[in-house]
Amino acid sequence: NAGVTQTPKFRVLKTGQSMTLLCAQDMNHEYMYWYRQDPGMGLRLIHYSVGEGTTAKGEVPDGYNVSRLKKQNFLLGLESAAPSQTSVYFCASSYLDRDTGELFFGEGSRLTVL
Amino acid sequence: GNSVTQMEGPVTLSEEAFLTINCTYTATGYPSLFWYVQYPGEGLQLLLKATKADDKGSNKGFEATYRKETTSFHLEKGSVQVSDSAVYFCALRNYGQNFVFGPGTRLSVLP
Repeated sequence: NAGVTQTPKFRVLKTGQSMTLLCAQDMNHEYMYWYRQDPGMGLRLIHYSVGEGTTAKGEVPDGYNVSRLKKQNFLLGLESAAPSQTSVYFCASSYLDRDTGELFFGEGSRLTVL
Repeated sequence: GNSVTQMEGPVTLSEEAFLTINCTYTATGYPSLFWYVQYPGEGLQLLLKATKADDKGSNKGFEATYRKETTSFHLEKGSVQVSDSAVYFCALRNYGQNFVFGPGTRLSVLP
């Protein structure tokens, strides 16, 4: 089983460029999330979605946009990349159970903004 | 609000040593508690979880007990191996809310 797949795995951007990270899950999960991981700061939630066609802001949403047009896909966009967005990005999904449902993570996408 | 505190490390141990990684939390109500592990170059994966007070989660020789009276969920393993070298994240999830992660603890096990 593929689980949660992120593309691309690595990307280097120049300041001001735009890009989109794609997350796909094949587990029919309702909930999907985008996190960023920075040294010493753990995981911080950027945006999330509780179902197809819905999105919501997380802890650090500024500079990012998301879309969930299909249940299995969750896209994270950077319209004008900044060096502060250099990070490792993780997509995750979970069951509808909002109490005990565990998160399933992708392998991460390493983004460098020069 | 909800929060998770854990020792940041790094923690360096010799093979077969005893491991404890402390985790304490602040939350209203009765959250579920989790330990996730991240091996080098990979995403996080669930190691174990506990959903109510006094529950013990266990997996791959790791254990953690949900202690509501001390708001703790410490991770333990009796004898670590080199293959346990990874970053360990404590996390909680309250009903109807998103996950809250600790900063992670890097563990290095030397042969």
